[in-house]
Amino acid sequence: EPEVTQTPSHQVTQMGQEVILRCVPISNHLYFYWYRQILGQKVEFLVSFYNNEISEKSEIFDDQFSVERPDGSNFTLKIRSTKLEDSAMYFCASSVLGGTRALSPGYTFGSGTRLTVV
Amino acid sequence: QQQVKQSPQSLIVQKGGISIINCAYENTAFDYFPWYQQFPGKGPALLIAIRPDVSEKKEGRFTISFNKSAKQFSLHIMDSQPGDSATYFCAASPFLGNQFYFGTGTSLTVIP
Repeated sequence: EPEVTQTPSHQVTQMGQEVILRCVPISNHLYFYWYRQILGQKVEFLVSFYNNEISEKSEIFDDQFSVERPDGSNFTLKIRSTKLEDSAMYFCASSVLGGTRALSPGYTFGSGTRLTVV
Repeated sequence: QQQVKQSPQSLIVQKGGISIINCAYENTAFDYFPWYQQFPGKGPALLIAIRPDVSEKKEGRFTISFNKSAKQFSLHIMDSQPGDSATYFCAASPFLGNQFYFGTGTSLTVIP
């Protein structure tokens, strides 16, 4: 079964440092998403990306965040100057079609990258 | 603003019992309500989903009950098994929406 792959599984970074989280979406998927989950809290939407553009973003996704699809297979989330409160699990997702009710295999999540800012 | 509220935070059920997790939403524009199952070290995976034109959907041991007037929906796991032990998230999205609004999750433990 196709999977969304995220690397690394765990990253520790110092406050103020830049970090890049990497995702390889399912190969024929066209829509890409990042979510985050602070420990013990709900999974929150950050951004959606289609056709090399951000299609939607939440209020969490401020100027310190950026996304990129640098080479046609990877989808990255960059946090420019990390803060302690950025510590969370970051999930990448992808879908063939836009929207949350995309047809099977639908909106598929990766296993996440746990980011710890110290 | 918490658009989807989920309870309980954790649940312990005996093998063979019924697990019930409840969610309530606020936004009447929501029209798609999935449940996601997450095992440790894995991402959330779609378990079952419902639209508000039906009051119940059943897939195997998993059933969603939906009450549109009360803006509530719940997941019932019949004959719960130790392999069902996971975190369960309810979610909602509006028509043609691009993002999910998730609940806070329920950690289910099924005791053998």
